[in-house]
Amino acid sequence: AAGVIQSPRHLIKEKRETATLKCYPIPRHDTVYWYQQGPGQDPQFLISFYEKMQSDKGSIPDRFSAQQFSDYHSELNMSSLELGDSALYFCASSVQGLNTEAFFGQGTRLTVV
Amino acid sequence: KNQVEQSPQSLIILEGKNCTLQCNYTVSPFSNLRWYKQDTGRGPVSLTIMTFSENTKSNGRYTATLDADTKQSSLHITASQLSDSASYICVVSDLAGTASKLTFGTGTRLQVTL
Repeated sequence: AAGVIQSPRHLIKEKRETATLKCYPIPRHDTVYWYQQGPGQDPQFLISFYEKMQSDKGSIPDRFSAQQFSDYHSELNMSSLELGDSALYFCASSVQGLNTEAFFGQGTRLTVV
Repeated sequence: KNQVEQSPQSLIILEGKNCTLQCNYTVSPFSNLRWYKQDTGRGPVSLTIMTFSENTKSNGRYTATLDADTKQSSLHITASQLSDSASYICVVSDLAGTASKLTFGTGTRLQVTL
């Protein structure tokens, strides 16, 4: 079965650079969520999209932005990267509805040096 | 503030043995509780999702229980295998139909040894 695809799997950037992470949800899933997981931390919700519109916003820094495209894939754009942005970034997708399951991608490991 | 606490923080067991992981939550209103397995550096993989009315749910060698009155859940792993070594995360949702209102526990790190 198709799963949530994230790219790239690994990314190394220097401070003050920009990075773009991509997420391809499971086919027919209309909702995408982004999470940030620091070393030894639990995932922190960043932002979500439903039907290409932002549906909820968590602890996403102003330096970050995201969008969901017409094919439902989503991109997380990160600018002016800081060392503290080094983390595992997960995307999850689901079908909007009551108690629906959220399926996570394998994550993108971002290292800022 | 919504919280999810898990115990133990870490656990080492011999292959073939059973173990039980605990989760206590103070999330309100309660919608559902999920157990995820997360291998190091990988995305969480869902094991079970339980709603208010469900007391127990099984997925192969994994059995989750939920007591909504005491706000406790457990994950029982039967006949453990080396591949069960991972972090097990209890996640509670306070709003149905969305994963943006999830409260994550800090996980139990399970190591299965020979």
